[in-house]
Amino acid sequence: QVQLQESGPGLVEPSQTLSLTCTVSGGSISRNEFYWTWIRQLPGGGLEWIAYIHYRGTIYYNPSLRTRVTISVDTSKNEFYLKLSSATAADTAVYYCTRFYHDLSGASNWFDPWGQGALVTVSS
Amino acid sequence: DIVMTQSPLSLPVIPGEPASISCRSSQSLLYKNGYTLLNWYFQKPGQSPQLLIYSVSNRASGVPDRFSGSGSGTDFTLKISRVEAADVGIYFCMHAIQIPITFGQGTRLEIK
Repeated sequence: QVQLQESGPGLVEPSQTLSLTCTVSGGSISRNEFYWTWIRQLPGGGLEWIAYIHYRGTIYYNPSLRTRVTISVDTSKNEFYLKLSSATAADTAVYYCTRFYHDLSGASNWFDPWGQGALVTVSS
Repeated sequence: DIVMTQSPLSLPVIPGEPASISCRSSQSLLYKNGYTLLNWYFQKPGQSPQLLIYSVSNRASGVPDRFSGSGSGTDFTLKISRVEAADVGIYFCMHAIQIPITFGQGTRLEIK
């Protein structure tokens, strides 16, 4: 059973870069039907999709965050990463990594499973 | 961006009674291949969201048949036939028909 685990600093200073790692266990990250995803949950409870990446390198970003976000993958480590530059207090959130399944026929897609989440606070 | 609007935002329910949550999208979620890409997620207090329903009406693995999804185009509904204490939490709808993927604001279900 695939499991995902976020890791990284829980406190980031304003204007610095927020960096997180997602470690995938129980299955290979190098599967054609999956995109590896970052989603955050803001303090008010809303969910915001940030970006996802295919192991072959195809990337999709949320346009609202595109200029500050970098997502990458390391298949040898079965990990993928998030970097969010120029962090502000508005980036304070619980950051989740999750797997996006994309049925090749286009019949369905979904996020499952999710990591437990990493709370990142942007503050001096 | 497609805006997903849920109602109600708060839903107090007596155990054993049914519950219904509405999700409306600002444009049709009918994909070019004829499928409708609308999912529902459930987040228990203190936990990560978990997949509940995919492609409008398909229950995810392990989801009890008390849960059902329906709808088409821009108008969707999640129904719980008989609410139990374990159903307390937040329910989100989500589309994945285009970038960016967006979620509804969430509906908080509580036991009355």
